[in-house]
Formats: sequence, C-alpha cells, structure tokens
Amino acid sequence: KNEVEQSPQNLTAQEGEFITINCSYSVGISALHWLQQHPGGGIVSLFMLSSGKKKHGRLIATINIQEKHSSLHITASHPRDSAVYICAVTKTSYDKVIFGPGTSLSVIP
Amino acid sequence: EPEVTQTPSHQVTQMGQEVILRCVPISNHLYFYWYRQILGQKVEFLVSFYNNEISEKSEIFDDQFSVERPDGSNFTLKIRSTKLEDSAMYFCARTGTGISGYTFGSGTRLTVV
Repeated sequence: KNEVEQSPQNLTAQEGEFITINCSYSVGISALHWLQQHPGGGIVSLFMLSSGKKKHGRLIATINIQEKHSSLHITASHPRDSAVYICAVTKTSYDKVIFGPGTSLSVIP
Repeated sequence: EPEVTQTPSHQVTQMGQEVILRCVPISNHLYFYWYRQILGQKVEFLVSFYNNEISEKSEIFDDQFSVERPDGSNFTLKIRSTKLEDSAMYFCARTGTGISGYTFGSGTRLTVV
C-alpha cells in the first residue's frame, strides 16, 4: 500500500477556476511537503507544513494531522499553473522524502 | 536559499558504461539525498548521505551505485555498469534551513541505450 495517496490523478480546469488537490497519508510524519514539477522535470518546493495552513500568493496549503489529510488550493488558476503537483512526507526531521504519485494539472485558457 | 545545480542536465550512455552524476554547489549542509524518477512514475528514494557517510539506502541502491563527496562541495552518484532500466531522471536534494524544507536539484535525465 502506498504511504502517500493523491486525488485526483489528473485535473483539467478552465482559467480562473478554484482548484483543490487532495493528499492522504498513512504514516506518522514530522512534515508534509507540496512540490511542483514542470514538464522540464525540475522539482520546486512550494510548502512544508506540520500543522494548520500556509498561504503563498494564490496557493494555499492546509493539513489536518488527526485526519492525516492535506489539501492544496489554487485560487484564480492560470495556464502557467499547469504542472504536476506532488504531495510528499517526511517521517522525521532530515529523513528521506516519501513521494506521492502526483496530480497532473492542466489549466486551459 | 541557493539553488542546487546538477550536471549534466542530460546524459546518454551505452548500456554497461559507467556514469557519474554531479550535484553542485554544496555548502555547509550535512544531509544530502539522491532520488530517481522513471518516466511516468513517482519519485523514488535512492540514498541519503550524512556527515560524509551513507545513512540510509533503498533496495534500489545496489552494488552498482555509489555516492561520494569527493572535494567537499560536489556530491556525486556513480552507476558502475548502466542498464536500460537505469534510464530515469535523477535528482539530488539537500535539507534547507528554517521553513524552506528541502531543495531539489534541477535533475539529470539519464538515457541508457
């Protein structure tokens, strides 16, 4: 069983739509990460969360430790948001990152 | 946080050849990691390196793989005798400081033919 699951696997949205990507995990964690991977392949760290909610620009990440669930929201989506969004966790500080399968987002003008 | 740069960005090699993937620059960080991503699959952990020693490795990281920090700044992953199934994107990473979490390198796309 995968330790990190994401839904949906693929998502197509119209420009301007509000987008939600969900992540659930089955292990104890010290932190949850949301990452972005563009078609060129590079991985960019968006958020690292251990509780509550974080916001950066149009991106919002929330985590519910009791439910072992996190969401990534994108407000006013734009075609440049098209990428693969990856949820990942670390069990302890400085531990390896355990990656989810990713959600492929395509925002259409 | 300074970027983590990997070289080369793309390498094509013949099966059975040795390849060395490099991660630069590294400064004042103790924890480093290598991951790989086979096309269409999720990113997988290969090895973690702490204080100039391997601290953890996955079952993927067999005797064909090795890691070094040869000169205190570069961090290398060597594959001794490449196989077709080694074709993947390889990422190095380091832990960040404060709230920045992990910083991933730009990746090396390895194609074994």
